[in-house]
Amino acid sequence: LAKTTQPISMDSYEGQEVNITCSHNNIATNDYITWYQQFPSQGPRFIIQGYKTKVTNEVASLFIPADRKSSTLSLPRVSLSDTAVYYCLVGGYGGSQGNLIFGKGTKLSVKP
Amino acid sequence: NAGVTQTPKFRVLKTGQSMTLLCAQDMNHEYMYWYRQDPGMGLRLIHYSVGEGTTAKGEVPDGYNVSRLKKQNFLLGLESAAPSQTSVYFCASSYPGQGPNNEQFFGPGTRLTVL
Repeated sequence: LAKTTQPISMDSYEGQEVNITCSHNNIATNDYITWYQQFPSQGPRFIIQGYKTKVTNEVASLFIPADRKSSTLSLPRVSLSDTAVYYCLVGGYGGSQGNLIFGKGTKLSVKP
Repeated sequence: NAGVTQTPKFRVLKTGQSMTLLCAQDMNHEYMYWYRQDPGMGLRLIHYSVGEGTTAKGEVPDGYNVSRLKKQNFLLGLESAAPSQTSVYFCASSYPGQGPNNEQFFGPGTRLTVL
């Protein structure tokens, strides 16, 4: 199973770029890397997903090195509303849903 | 579309009681999941289903049973509740396959307390 490791917490200020790294040393060839955001008392919500290199959407970028043993979620110019817990998820290809392992999450606190 | 809904939102049980949590989705997703979330533990997969009539164990299946009799519904049962099952339970659904189709849509959660 591709276990993931993330920092427990991070602090930032409004307008800064935040980078959260997730380690997944045992990632399988067919595994994708997905990041979710969770606000208090809500279910997680999809942010971004990738397999290798770099992926960018309207809210974040995801950087994945060639060995795929880690990934970095980049949030540009964070605001107070980005305060949340961010989860890295590895797996989920085809029938391997049972290998879905969420990390313990990174609690991001954005200060004014 | 309502997305993923969960019933009930809150429940308090006594040790040994049984209950069923209901998850419903209206997105025609093949895959459905049940997770539990405990402080400091992140989300842990209990059971999942890759289609109507099929279920499989996840990371922490002991003490729970599930059924997927209809494609849109996924039930999580506790036959004899224990205090260790006090948690917030999340249901999710997704399309099968890799890549963007694997995005999971989560429900709002059920907060269960077992006394």
